[in-house]
Amino acid sequence: DSGVTQTPKHLITATGQRVTLRCSPRSGDLSVYWYQQSLDQGLQFLIQYYNGEERAKGNILERFSAQQFPDLHSELNLSSLELGDSALYFCASTGDLTNYGYTFGSGTRLTVV
Amino acid sequence: EDQVTQSPEALRLQEGESSSLNCSYTVSGLRGLFWYRQDPGKGPEFLFTLYSAGEEKEKERLKATLTKKESFLHITAPKPEDSATYLCAVQAGGYSTLTFGKGTMLLVSP
Repeated sequence: DSGVTQTPKHLITATGQRVTLRCSPRSGDLSVYWYQQSLDQGLQFLIQYYNGEERAKGNILERFSAQQFPDLHSELNLSSLELGDSALYFCASTGDLTNYGYTFGSGTRLTVV
Repeated sequence: EDQVTQSPEALRLQEGESSSLNCSYTVSGLRGLFWYRQDPGKGPEFLFTLYSAGEEKEKERLKATLTKKESFLHITAPKPEDSATYLCAVQAGGYSTLTFGKGTMLLVSP
């Protein structure tokens, strides 16, 4: 157990639907990062939050949004889902990036049918 | 735009057969180069961070090195349990976000 908790582990939904992925960072970590991993693209950075505020944005589609709550857990909302959104979605947190890098959760596997 | 390229895409070794994985990068102002191990269906697991050319770090059968344009992950006398995908990532500029390569899938046969 890495200390970063992601739920659900698996999600199957239909095109056009909306889903919410949840992440609880490791205790004490203020930064949360969301990544998408697909077979052809590898790990792609979506968005970062630090202590409740958006800090950096990557290749995140307008149909996707995220937030970080006062208790530091984060949610990634994916709407108007398309087949191509099927992927593994990882959350990571960090306290000491220099010495320990990111700590990743075990991911949510999203399948859009 | 930061770019990270890993080679080979896949590597098959016999147990005990040493080899190296390559990570070449193009970034503006490298702040750190990271190596991760990822097992199927799991999140990446942190291995090493390297900061400056010439730096080396070791962990069990793994040794990571860094030059100004690339990093190598040397695997000495690998065992089947070393089978995994190895990811390289860079941190550049004033940001804490990491840009990842697509990884090298390593399979070690007994």
